[in-house]
Amino acid sequence: ETGVTQTPRHLVMGMTNKKSLKCEQHLGHNAMYWYKQSAKKPLELMFVYNFKEQTENNSVPSRFSPECPNSSHLFLHLHTLQPEDSALYLCASSPPGGAGGHDTQYFGPGTRLTVL
Amino acid sequence: RKEVEQDPGPFNVPEGATVAFNCTYSNSASQSFFWYRQDCRKEPKLLMSVYSSGNEDGRFTAQLNRASQYISLLIRDSKLSDSATYLCVVNGAGGSYIPTFGRGTSLIVHP
Repeated sequence: ETGVTQTPRHLVMGMTNKKSLKCEQHLGHNAMYWYKQSAKKPLELMFVYNFKEQTENNSVPSRFSPECPNSSHLFLHLHTLQPEDSALYLCASSPPGGAGGHDTQYFGPGTRLTVL
Repeated sequence: RKEVEQDPGPFNVPEGATVAFNCTYSNSASQSFFWYRQDCRKEPKLLMSVYSSGNEDGRFTAQLNRASQYISLLIRDSKLSDSATYLCVVNGAGGSYIPTFGRGTSLIVHP
């Protein structure tokens, strides 16, 4: 148990649906991340929040909309997705690192998303 | 040149073998380095941090070579349960302090 939880664990949605992924961390970390992992591809960083402020948006399409109401919770709102968005969506958190960097990341179990 | 590069493998080794993976990074100002392990359809989990002086944890040894800009992971006496994908992570690889993941190296340990 890493202290990072994600819900739902599995999600099937149509291209016209709107859904949200939720991530919660119980580790007292200040930074939270969304990653996408497609089959046989490396992890792709999507968004980074540090103390609730978005610090990175890695050219992610606007059909993905993150929300970070506090340092413990992170959401990813999904709307009008495409079949190629089907992937494992991983949330991670980390404490502050040296020189203002990001230290070790702890991952949630992920949400396996299928877009029909 | 990619920011963090790993040989994807797979590395197929028998139980008891010693296997080593390398990972190269492009930004000489990178600050910290990690190895993660990811099992099939699971999330990545921290295996070990990599320190300048090198570090060892049981059968696993990690080393950093700043001059040549690579880190390595050595696994001795491989077990079946070591079969997984090993991800190299570098903080500061892209010029920021955001962690950058390599593509991962697949290890298969067979009886």
